[in-house]
Amino acid sequence: EIVLTQSPGTLSLSPGERATLSCRASHHIDPFLLWYQQKPGQAPRLLIYDASSRATGTPDRFRGSGSGTDFTLTIVSLEPEDFAVYYCQQRSDWPLTFGGGTKVEI
Amino acid sequence: EVLLVESGGDLIQPGGSLRLSCATSGFTFIYYAMTWVRQAPGKGLEWVSTIRNDGTVTYCADSVKGRCTISRDNSKNTLFLQIDNLRVEDTAVYYCVRGGRTQNFDYWGQGSLVIVSS
Repeated sequence: EIVLTQSPGTLSLSPGERATLSCRASHHIDPFLLWYQQKPGQAPRLLIYDASSRATGTPDRFRGSGSGTDFTLTIVSLEPEDFAVYYCQQRSDWPLTFGGGTKVEI
Repeated sequence: EVLLVESGGDLIQPGGSLRLSCATSGFTFIYYAMTWVRQAPGKGLEWVSTIRNDGTVTYCADSVKGRCTISRDNSKNTLFLQIDNLRVEDTAVYYCVRGGRTQNFDYWGQGSLVIVSS
């Protein structure tokens, strides 16, 4: 099983600041790494696929990068609506797995 | 507009069974693998099961293997999940998701809450 480890668990930042979220995989998963945003009481929303491609409707302040086993989601300048939980997910192999999540809080 | 609408969530006793449905619209259902993902209260996301677009191949997570049946009716654009011999730890919101291992999880339903408790 491919284990995804997200860090940090919580990121405390202010609007306008840069957020850097990490996702480390136990095996190479290039490029099948996705990022989701989840707000309280809502379903997750796809932000990034194939490590760095923005999904339809994802603002360009969200940037995915990385390869191999190390991946990063950067939010260049936090907007108030960006405070949420972010999950990474791999679809390189079965079982499909998610990271434990990073909460971005004010 | 792509829509995924789950139904069937309920309060169920341990040892019982759940059967969830997901009615879909707004896309060509038969083109897509479909997946169930669950989220226990206050916890992260967990992949549960995926079915290939033609329904011929299915996958279930180890946590539900032997208790899990995923199926679909391509004539009615509907996805199903049955989990038998329910355990307290199956308590979660169950999401219907478009996609699988070769297709991104790009659309999610609003979720259906299943509570397993005596």
